[in-house]
Amino acid sequence: QVHLQESGPGLVKSSQTLSLSCNVSGDSISSRDHYWSWVRRPPGKGLEWIGSIYYSGSVYYSPSLKSRITISVDTSRDQFALKMMSVTTADTALYYCARVRVSITGTTQFETWGQGVMVTVSS
Amino acid sequence: QSVLTQPPSVSAAPGQKVTISCSGDDSNIGTNHVSWYQHLPGAAPKLLIYDYTERPSGIPDRFSGSKSDTSATLGITGLQTGDEGDYYCGTWDSGLDAYVFGSGTTVAVL
Repeated sequence: QVHLQESGPGLVKSSQTLSLSCNVSGDSISSRDHYWSWVRRPPGKGLEWIGSIYYSGSVYYSPSLKSRITISVDTSRDQFALKMMSVTTADTALYYCARVRVSITGTTQFETWGQGVMVTVSS
Repeated sequence: QSVLTQPPSVSAAPGQKVTISCSGDDSNIGTNHVSWYQHLPGAAPKLLIYDYTERPSGIPDRFSGSKSDTSATLGITGLQTGDEGDYYCGTWDSGLDAYVFGSGTTVAVL
């Protein structure tokens, strides 16, 4: 049974860089059938996709965030990470990592999620 | 503002049925498979439906999905108080080259 666990500071100052990690257990991050993703949910708002990465390093970013984010993968440690620069209070949210099944048939399923980590950006 | 439009809220009495619509266009729902996610208070989001109509193992058949042109629908029958929470559709948008979630619908059990 795959398990994902987010980690990182719960409080970040405005204009600084937010850094989160997701540890994957019960599955290899080098799985050919999966991408590894970050999703967030700001207070009072809906889910927002941040970006996804394949074990090879191929990455997709949200157009609205791509200028500020970097997602990386460490296959030796079965971890992937998110860095978000120049954060503002609008980046305050619950951040989730997720395993995503993708196939050539067009399916994209966020099939397994971590429990989430609350990140507050202070002004 | 999401490119996938859902009603803000739906409600019904215990045991009744609710449906949640998700409206998009040819660059998302019309082309790519839709999933539905349940996000209950204090819990991680959960995949309910994938490929428009398929249920992952362990998801009860009270949950169902359908698709028509550029819209998708989630149905919940036998509504339970434990179903109260937020529900989202999601799919890849080929025009944006991005995954998009719907605006979200809050389900209330009266």
